[in-house]
Amino acid sequence: QQQVKQSPQSLIVQKGGISIINCAYENTAFDYFPWYQQFPGKGPALLIAIRPDVSEKKEGRFTISFNKSAKQFSLHIMDSQPGDSATYFCAASWSNDYKLSFGAGTTVTVRA
Amino acid sequence: NAGVTQTPKFRVLKTGQSMTLLCAQDMNHEYMYWYRQDPGMGLRLIHYSVGEGTTAKGEVPDGYNVSRLKKQNFLLGLESAAPSQTSVYFCASKPSGTNTEAFFGQGTRLTVV
Repeated sequence: QQQVKQSPQSLIVQKGGISIINCAYENTAFDYFPWYQQFPGKGPALLIAIRPDVSEKKEGRFTISFNKSAKQFSLHIMDSQPGDSATYFCAASWSNDYKLSFGAGTTVTVRA
Repeated sequence: NAGVTQTPKFRVLKTGQSMTLLCAQDMNHEYMYWYRQDPGMGLRLIHYSVGEGTTAKGEVPDGYNVSRLKKQNFLLGLESAAPSQTSVYFCASKPSGTNTEAFFGQGTRLTVV
């Protein structure tokens, strides 16, 4: 079963709006939570990542919020632009493992 | 920089045929991975390798085999293709060490008819 549950499956937002994607996990050993962005016909690429010792990380218009007690983390895309239209994957891993566990993905469409 | 290169980019197979997907990386990464991507299911790990000559099973290994004879190459084989293996396959590599970034290839779209 998927170790990281991601929602929603898809969302549509108007240009300038906020996109929010949520992820939840069960394995408390996870200590690294990256988000990958994938454009059509391309492979995923790292967008932003967070470790559980901080509650928030911001890079430009992209922010990760992390709630360790709830075992949840989310990606916020502020001032969404048409160029942000892509599929976003949350993921998790832990230090003693070689593997990333991915969520099911969220397709974001930003309407101009 | 080439990064992670997958060949071929597209392929159509008939049920029962075999084929090999090639992944090559030029970043001297220790770890390499094969994933499949299906709608609504995200990226599922097929097999992975933590070094030359080593391989291990991921979440969905059945029907696939892999080999890592050279550090830079990771091959994924389909022994007898089935329609359920129709998917987009991604190779990824990352350096050794804790929580390092994974780099993905552009994918191989495989259709089994």
